[in-house]
This record gives sequence, structure tokens and C-alpha cells, in this order.
Amino acid sequence: ETGVTQSPTHLIKTRGQQVTLRCSSQSGHNTVSWYQQALGQGPQFIFQYYREEENGRGNFPPRFSGLQFPNYSSELNVNALELDDSALYLCASSLFEGSAAYEQYFGPGTRLTVT
Amino acid sequence: GEDVEQSLFLSVREGDSSVINCTYTDSSSTYLYWYKQEPGAGLQLLTYIFSNMDMKQDQRLTVLLNKKDKHLSLRIADTQTGDSAIYFCADGVSSGSARQLTFGSGTQLTVLP
Repeated sequence: ETGVTQSPTHLIKTRGQQVTLRCSSQSGHNTVSWYQQALGQGPQFIFQYYREEENGRGNFPPRFSGLQFPNYSSELNVNALELDDSALYLCASSLFEGSAAYEQYFGPGTRLTVT
Repeated sequence: GEDVEQSLFLSVREGDSSVINCTYTDSSSTYLYWYKQEPGAGLQLLTYIFSNMDMKQDQRLTVLLNKKDKHLSLRIADTQTGDSAIYFCADGVSSGSARQLTFGSGTQLTVLP
């Protein structure tokens, strides 16, 4: 069974630029969620994707957007980067239905630094 | 909005039991979770409990839930140095068709030899 993978591991961008982060779901999972974890804090929910559509969103502005592909992999796009976007971005995969639907498994994260 | 609170630090001796506490505010929580995060790593799902249960035991881990007081605890028996990490409590709520986790700020567990 393949776990959740994310790329790249680290990324440095300049304020105002755009960034794309990638996530591959755990084998058999069909739902992907993205979280932002600022230094010293717990992760905050950005949004969730199922069947290639966003089905839930946290308190993040529209410049945070995402995609889910037919193979259930996902991208997180952030436009017009701000210094406060510097954080660890975590992807979590899960099943949408069934007895294990409430188990979310996280990837290792992408560390984004905005200068 | 929803809030999850944890104490920031806990220090125990190797072999002792550790108890990490958490309070949450959302009464519509479906599941409550404990995750472990080691330095530079993602989050590892340790265990979770359905909101209509009082207790769940899984090897060295015991989760207690007091739904009336909205209090969750994680007990780690026979704590080892490899248990040193940050432990996050999370509240799982279904919002429409999405399942969203709200995390606390984490408790840094230090296990002393």
C-alpha cells in the first residue's frame, strides 16, 4: 500500500509569485484535503476535494485554489504569494464513504518559504 | 467558530505514563483524533474515537472522552524516548459533504531518560 506523497519537499518563492504544490493520495483513497501549518501551530483546513470538485473550504481567500485529477492526485495553487503564506502545506487523503471514511492520512508536507 | 485547546508542554520520565489533555467547543463533532508529529515530518494518525464512545484502548494508547465537558485525553502507557514528539488533538466535523479537522496547537511531549 502506497502512502500519501507530496512534492516538492521544500520551495522558496518571492512575494507576489505563484506556486503549485502536488499530492498523490494513498492507494485506494478518493478524497483529498489540504492544510496549512504555520510554525508552532496546528494545521488549518484549506479545502477538500472529491470527484474532482471542491466540497468544503476553510477560511482561506480565493487566491488559494486546487484541483483533483481522475487518478485522485491533487494540486494546491497559491497566487500572489504573501509573506504570511510561509508554512508547511500538508495533504491528507481519505475515503469518502465506508467504515474508514473518517480516517485522514497525511503526507510529509511541502515547506514553502516566501521572501 | 470551533476551537480546540491543548496545553503546550509535557515532560515525563521514561517508563511513566503520559496524559495529554484537550478541550474542544464544537458540539457537532463526529470523531475526535490524536495525531503525532515528529520534527520535520507530517502527521501520523495515532487513534480516534467516535463521539458516542467514552473510551478506546489501542495497545499502549488509551483515549478518554467526556462529551458533556468536551474533554478528550490521550494516555500513553510505559512512555519511551521514541514517543517524544508533538501531539495534536483534532475535532472532526462534517460540513456538508466535507469532513474537516480542526486542530489544537499541539502538546510537545518530552520523555526524559
